[in-house]
Parts: sequence; structure tokens; C-alpha cells
Amino acid sequence: QLQLQESGPGLVKPSETLSLTCTVSGGSISGNIYYWGWIRQPPGKGLEWIASIYYTGTTYYNPSLKSRVTISVDTSKNQFSLKLGSVTAADTALYYCALSVGAYYNTWFDPWGQGTLVTVSS
Amino acid sequence: EIVLTQSPGALSLSPGERATLSCRASQSVSSSYLAWYQQKPGQAPRLLIYGASSRATGIPDRFSGSGSGTDFTLTISRLEPEDFAVYYCQQYSSSPLTFGQGTKVEIK
Repeated sequence: QLQLQESGPGLVKPSETLSLTCTVSGGSISGNIYYWGWIRQPPGKGLEWIASIYYTGTTYYNPSLKSRVTISVDTSKNQFSLKLGSVTAADTALYYCALSVGAYYNTWFDPWGQGTLVTVSS
Repeated sequence: EIVLTQSPGALSLSPGERATLSCRASQSVSSSYLAWYQQKPGQAPRLLIYGASSRATGIPDRFSGSGSGTDFTLTISRLEPEDFAVYYCQQYSSSPLTFGQGTKVEIK
């Protein structure tokens, strides 16, 4: 059974870059029908899809964040990562990594990591 | 972008009662590409329903999904104590993938 675990700094200064990694266990990140995504949830608010990636490196971004976001994959480490640049307080959120299974990236997310809280503050 | 509007924002019910949650899309969700999630405090969302009406693995049959086009419904036939949570819908018909703002099902 695939499991996902987010890791990264819990505090980032305004204007800097947020960097998170998701480690996949219980299976290979290189599965043919596996797409890997990042979703975030500001405290007390709803969910926002950020980006998804296929193990080959093909990426898919939410246009609202695309100019600041980079998603990447490291198959040798069974990990994928998120970088969000020029952060502000509005980027404070719980960041989740999750798996999408399907022929394309646009499917549901299951399972999810437990989430990691990132606070943007000086 | 497809905007999903969930209603009501909150629902106060007693255990054993039926819960009916609505998710309305700003444009048609093709092929019923709609999912439902349950989120409890301090936990990640858990997939309940995909394809508008297919239950995910291990989800009890008291949870059911229906609908097509722009109107979708999640029904919990008889609320159990563990069902009090926030529920989100998500469309994966078009990019960007979007979620509704959530419906909180609380104990009356």
C-alpha cells in the first residue's frame, strides 16, 4: 500500500522560496498510471490544487500559481518535490502531497500524505 | 476554471439521520468526473466517492454519490458518530482541478 510523507521547513520568510519534498513508500514512484500532486489548505479554509507530475517529468500546473511553482521528481529517491517562490503570508497553509491514479493527471487524489504546515513569516 | 459551490455550508444533524450534501458546478463536469472527500480535524482528506457515484475501497455503503452535468449530491443514509466532519467535492473534468469550499456536518 502506497504511503506518502511530506517534509520541509515549517517556517519560510516572505519573498523567499518554499521547498517541500514528498517521499513515497510501499511502491515505486515510476508506476505507469501514477501521477503525483501537491494540494494546499490555508488554515480553516478549503483545498487548492497546486501542481502534478508524472514520473517521466511531465508537469501540470494550476495557472493561478504557475509563475511561482516548480514541481520535480527524483525517481532514484522515490521522491517528488515542490518549490514555490516569492512567498507571502497568503501562502501559509497545510501542504499535502497525494497520488492520482489514471491515464492522465486529472483524476481524484488517493491516498494523501498527512500534510505539513508551512508558515510564511519574518 | 470550473467553480464548485457546496451547500449548505453547515448541516446540524443527529446520529441516525440522513445527510444530503450538494455540489453545484459553474459549468458541466464531463463524464461525471467528480469526487467527494471527508476531512476530520487534524487529518488529511479521505477519498469517499469518485466518478460521481463509485465508492472508494473500504467506504461503507451508507455513503452514496449521484448526479451529473452541473449538479451532484453526496448522501449519508444514516449518520454514524464518526461521520461528523467536513466534506469536499472535487472536479477533475478540466484544468485546473478545483475543489468546493466544503460542507461541515456537525452534531445537533
